[in-house]
Amino acid sequence: GAVVSQHPSRVICKSGTSVKIECRSLDFQATTMFWYRQFPKQSLMLMATSNEGSKATYEQGVEKDKFLINHASLTLSTLTVTSAHPEDSSFYICSARHRNSYGYTFGSGTRLTVV
Amino acid sequence: DAKTTQPPSMDCAEGRAANLPCNHSTISGNEYVYWYRQIHSQGPQYIIHGLKNNETNEMASLIITEDRKSSTLILPHATLRDTAVYYCIVRVADNYGQNFVFGPGTRLSVLP
Repeated sequence: GAVVSQHPSRVICKSGTSVKIECRSLDFQATTMFWYRQFPKQSLMLMATSNEGSKATYEQGVEKDKFLINHASLTLSTLTVTSAHPEDSSFYICSARHRNSYGYTFGSGTRLTVV
Repeated sequence: DAKTTQPPSMDCAEGRAANLPCNHSTISGNEYVYWYRQIHSQGPQYIIHGLKNNETNEMASLIITEDRKSSTLILPHATLRDTAVYYCIVRVADNYGQNFVFGPGTRLSVLP
């Protein structure tokens, strides 16, 4: 079945540094990828939608200059949290839409802790 | 906003059937009902989806009422590994740009 690999699974970084999270579709091409954030005991909240080769569309309240999204190929999207602060600590999850079907697959998530 | 309502939590005895309800009274004619689950600290896992007919796969069964205003996910023989948060989501299947809107879901606890 379709697999989405998300890396790293866990990361701890110092306040003020930047962290890059990768989301790869391993056996299918993904024209659209979604990035979600999940705080403890809460549901997933959409941050942004990225389409291959174009700029990402951000949800209201999500700073595009802080959360940089790049979707340079049909199999890879990256989310970079710039100048991270403790309040950015969260579980980040990507989802990829299959190019030739209506299926969606979620990554395994990245737990970011900013200290 | 999520278009579905689910009970916040449920318990189920191991080996018994788990029946998780979902109300989606404002569902449109072209919207499917999807079920995902999220085990602690993992990404959501697809379970099943359907439009109006009942569906069954190796994981679960989905029963959709005739008026499509509610549905039930059935795990026929729940195991401890089925403990997770279960999300019921309605969306148009072929809307390329539409994401999944997650509500709070139902936290299912399978008890030994």
